Amino acid sequence: AQRVTQPEKLLSVFKGAPVELKCNYSYSGSPELFWYVQYSRQRLQLLLRHISRESIKGFTADLNKGETSFHLKKPFAQEEDSAMYYCALRVNRDDKIIFGKGTRLHILP
Amino acid sequence: GAGVSQTPSNKVTEKGKYVELRCDPISGHTALYWYRQSLGQGPEFLIYFQGTGAADDSGLPNDRFFAVRPEGSVSTLKIQRTERGDSAVYLCASRYSGTGGEQYFGPGTRLTVT
Repeated sequence: AQRVTQPEKLLSVFKGAPVELKCNYSYSGSPELFWYVQYSRQRLQLLLRHISRESIKGFTADLNKGETSFHLKKPFAQEEDSAMYYCALRVNRDDKIIFGKGTRLHILP
Repeated sequence: GAGVSQTPSNKVTEKGKYVELRCDPISGHTALYWYRQSLGQGPEFLIYFQGTGAADDSGLPNDRFFAVRPEGSVSTLKIQRTERGDSAVYLCASRYSGTGGEQYFGPGTRLTVT
């Protein structure tokens, strides 16, 4: 069965420090991987997807098929990055999205 | 343009009652998804509509849960004989018909069963 694991429930990082949110997945094929973000009192929104290979708000994520990981990184944390982050996968392009339990990122001043 | 909307934003009901939750997708989006998010968890898939038909209802937990989308636009999630364990945020998402498109999420309905 497909599964997404985010080992950290809470990650506290000082402003200006690097951020890495961990994500591992289990699926034997080639899924599509995503990071979603939910800011306080806002709806869930797509942050980035691995097929785009882009940087959004300074965040990047590289798919490592050997380690089945899709960690989210940012070199210098900003206070506005404080939010709930969900790693997710989709097996085929029309299918449901399978979410991890989420990591709350708290940027300390 | 307007995003996905869901009504009501909050619903409190007594155990055993029937509830309906409504989702208005983005205009022109033919795919519609329902997810349930319990406290401390990520969203979990319930059902997916392509047009009027349910393409995948494998996530519905039991036969107390049912969803319809009669005209291929608005969808209603119906829960019979509610239980305290049904308390959660119910999220709706819609996607344009082109494959691989982004799912856009609504604000959710927070259901509390007392």
